[in-house]
Amino acid sequence: AQSVTQLDSQVPVFEEAPVELRCNYSSSVSVYLFWYVQYPNQGLQLLLKYLSGSTLVKGINGFEAEFNKSQTSFHLRKPSVHISDTAEYFCAVRNTGGFKTIFGAGTRLFVKA
Amino acid sequence: GAGVSQSPSNKVTEKGKDVELRCDPISGHTALYWYRQSLGQGLEFLIYFQGNSAPDKSGLPSDRFSAERTGGSVSTLTIQRTQQEDSAVYLCASSSTGGSTDTQYFGPGTRLTVL
Repeated sequence: AQSVTQLDSQVPVFEEAPVELRCNYSSSVSVYLFWYVQYPNQGLQLLLKYLSGSTLVKGINGFEAEFNKSQTSFHLRKPSVHISDTAEYFCAVRNTGGFKTIFGAGTRLFVKA
Repeated sequence: GAGVSQSPSNKVTEKGKDVELRCDPISGHTALYWYRQSLGQGLEFLIYFQGNSAPDKSGLPSDRFSAERTGGSVSTLTIQRTQQEDSAVYLCASSSTGGSTDTQYFGPGTRLTVL
């Protein structure tokens, strides 16, 4: 069975500060990894995904994530956040042969002026 | 182009009533997923449709939940005899082939409140 743990339920940060949202996963098989963002009253939108190759993945809106297989982590980072980044962020995992996506509980990023 | 749409956006119902939630996937997408998002929790997989294959219903929480997909396009999630614990946001997603590398595109969700 697979699982995803997002270590912080809420992350408050000041505008223009860097941020890291942590994600750890558990799986006995190879996986693909995803980060989604959910803005208020909207559906989820893909930020980035790791399928293979370089462990540093760049996504939309200046976000990037690094896959660390030995630590089973896929932390999301942004060097300088904006007020508009305030949203909920979900880490997700899918095994490489399947369709079922397992989501973490989400991290609410709150960017303060 | 048009994204995934869901209707209604909000539904308030009384305990014991049946509800139907609708999802229109992106045109041409063969895979469709339903998820449930409860307050403070992640997304819980409910059901998966892929083309003409039998759906994977392994995530449906009880036999009060059912879903169908007509003509390989529109899907309806039905909850019979609703309970208060069914209150949640129900999200639909579609992807082009359902493959493991596919990106899922999500609709805005239906917020269900059971009184």
